Amino acid sequence: QKEVEQDPGPLSVPEGAIVSLNCTYSNSAFQYFMWYRQYSRKGPELLMYTYSSGNKEDGRFTAQVDKSSKYISLFIRDSQPSDSATYLCAMTRMDSSYKLIFGSGTRLLVRP
Amino acid sequence: KAGVTQTPRYLIKTRGQQVTLSCSPISGHRSVSWYQQTPGQGLQFLFEYFSETQRNKGNFPGRFSGRQFSNSRSEMNVSTLELGDSALYLCASTSGATDTQYFGPGTRLTVL
Repeated sequence: QKEVEQDPGPLSVPEGAIVSLNCTYSNSAFQYFMWYRQYSRKGPELLMYTYSSGNKEDGRFTAQVDKSSKYISLFIRDSQPSDSATYLCAMTRMDSSYKLIFGSGTRLLVRP
Repeated sequence: KAGVTQTPRYLIKTRGQQVTLSCSPISGHRSVSWYQQTPGQGLQFLFEYFSETQRNKGNFPGRFSGRQFSNSRSEMNVSTLELGDSALYLCASTSGATDTQYFGPGTRLTVL
């Protein structure tokens, strides 16, 4: 079983929809959670990072962490065609190293 | 601030050859991590360097090695290339202030 599970999609939504992306994890030692967006043939771009349970909002993006359920989410409001990309969750134990464990990524397509 | 830069962007090699990839982190970032991304395995951690010392290593064979220089620039080397080494190799530098990783555009290695 992988340490981080993420539905690969693809997820297809109409423009303006609210998108919900999720990851589950098995290692309770993970303390730091991130969401990256990756366009085709590009490197991952950091969208959000959170350290604790709860919600964090940045523009149209909201990251949610539930450590008790080992479940994290990313919500995208008013989705745009330019949001079409692969979204990767990542997490780390934050010990003496910055080793990130990634989910497999969810492909999102926002239809005009 | 300039982002993470990686050279070369594309590389074609044949089996048995060796290759060296280069990464320049964001100015002021002392940690550099390397990841391999393939369609089948996703993003996998290779190793992390901090102040010229390897702090953590992923589950890759000894053919994969790296180093970091005093100016924080890093190189990774893959010897005796195999077809399965074809991948996007990503470098990330980490901000010590926020513990967040920023990725470069990657080097796409094709092994024929």
